[in-house]
Amino acid sequence: GAGVSQSPSNKVTEKGKDVELRCDPISGHTALYWYRQSLGQGLEFLIYFQGNSAPDKSGLPSDRFSAERTGGSVSTLTIQRTQQEDSAVYLCASSQQTNTEAFFGQGTRLTVV
Amino acid sequence: LAKTTQPISMDSYEGQEVNITCSHNNIATNDYITWYQQFPSQGPRFIIQGYKTKVTNEVASLFIPADRKSSTLSLPRVSLSDTAVYYCLVQTFTSGTYKYIFGTGTRLKVLA
Repeated sequence: GAGVSQSPSNKVTEKGKDVELRCDPISGHTALYWYRQSLGQGLEFLIYFQGNSAPDKSGLPSDRFSAERTGGSVSTLTIQRTQQEDSAVYLCASSQQTNTEAFFGQGTRLTVV
Repeated sequence: LAKTTQPISMDSYEGQEVNITCSHNNIATNDYITWYQQFPSQGPRFIIQGYKTKVTNEVASLFIPADRKSSTLSLPRVSLSDTAVYYCLVQTFTSGTYKYIFGTGTRLKVLA
């Protein structure tokens, strides 16, 4: 596609439910990143993929968070047993390599009620 | 790990040059510094990237002094449409993996 696509754009979920957020990177980009931005706050790095591999998962906020990437393309970020503090905009980005310009999607706004 | 701090906000007038500094201690020689612009309800947009001395593109310049404890984004002749939040990002390679640390963000307001 022309840019990074994220879905859904908005998600409202009840506390305790699981959610899955999807990211379609720019075709051919080997690196993919997930960030979180709480309301009115800065950007928090969660995880990155080089191909299908995530070398470091220590940025994930808790063990309720997991991410995977398949076929060197689509990535999903899964949050289990959502809590109200998980409410935020989740941003995905991709780049040709890990030290080149990254292009961001529009984000998924997650609201846990 | 590098901690990155930026001024919370800045005001400028149209046509002026704006310099936004990001302080980042303990970054290595090959750590990249990238600057992004973010408008409300949008994802960040790439402005410029470098890891030493000076880089210039069609929209901005990036200055990185020899001690690498800070970097400065320079926007020449800003316009009203440059009103946005600006973030620096430090990419550091440590313990066999990359870490990505965003600065606290600087809210730039350009006045007519």
